[in-house]
Amino acid sequence: AQSVTQLGSHVSVSEGALVLLRCNYSSSVPPYLFWYVQYPNQGLQLLLKYTSAATLVKGINGFEAEFKKSETSFHLTKPSAHMSDAAEYFCAVSDQGDSWGKLQFGAGTQVVVTP
Amino acid sequence: GAGVSQSPSNKVTEKGKDVELRCDPISGHTALYWYRQRLGQGLEFLIYFQGNSAPDKSGLPSDRFSAERTGESVSTLTIQRTQQEDSAVYLCASSLVATNPNYGYTFGSGTRLTVV
Repeated sequence: AQSVTQLGSHVSVSEGALVLLRCNYSSSVPPYLFWYVQYPNQGLQLLLKYTSAATLVKGINGFEAEFKKSETSFHLTKPSAHMSDAAEYFCAVSDQGDSWGKLQFGAGTQVVVTP
Repeated sequence: GAGVSQSPSNKVTEKGKDVELRCDPISGHTALYWYRQRLGQGLEFLIYFQGNSAPDKSGLPSDRFSAERTGESVSTLTIQRTQQEDSAVYLCASSLVATNPNYGYTFGSGTRLTVV
């Protein structure tokens, strides 16, 4: 079964600084990978996804992530944090094929942005 | 509708009572998924529907949990004899095509269930 680990349950970053959220997955074959953001009292919103095309994936709001098979990682980055980036971020993984929609989520990383 | 709609948004129930949670997917979406999010944790997969059938129920935590979908539209998640550990946010998502991730899927805002 797939699993995903997010390193760090809380991250504090200064406004304008680099945002780096780490995600590692366990799989012997390349999976599909996703990053979601959850703002307070709102549903989950897809930031970006990797589905076996380009390894560097660009998403919404200036975020991007790079799939590294050798490191089994899919870290999320944004060059310059905005106050509006304060939210919880979830990495998710699924198997390729008919069951791709069964996502396994990490525990989440809460991002705090300080002025 | 424009998005995935879940009702009620909040539900407080007494231990031992049954509850029904409803999900209205985006019109035309054939696949529907249920997840549970306990406080401070990630989402746990519960069950998914392709049309009205459920190919994967592996995430349902016990036989107190059941779900059905009718008319390839609305789905209901039922929890019988609720326990305090059932307290969580229950999220529903729908997608246009179950077999192609490039269509992605859309989450509802969830039902917050509190068992007292």
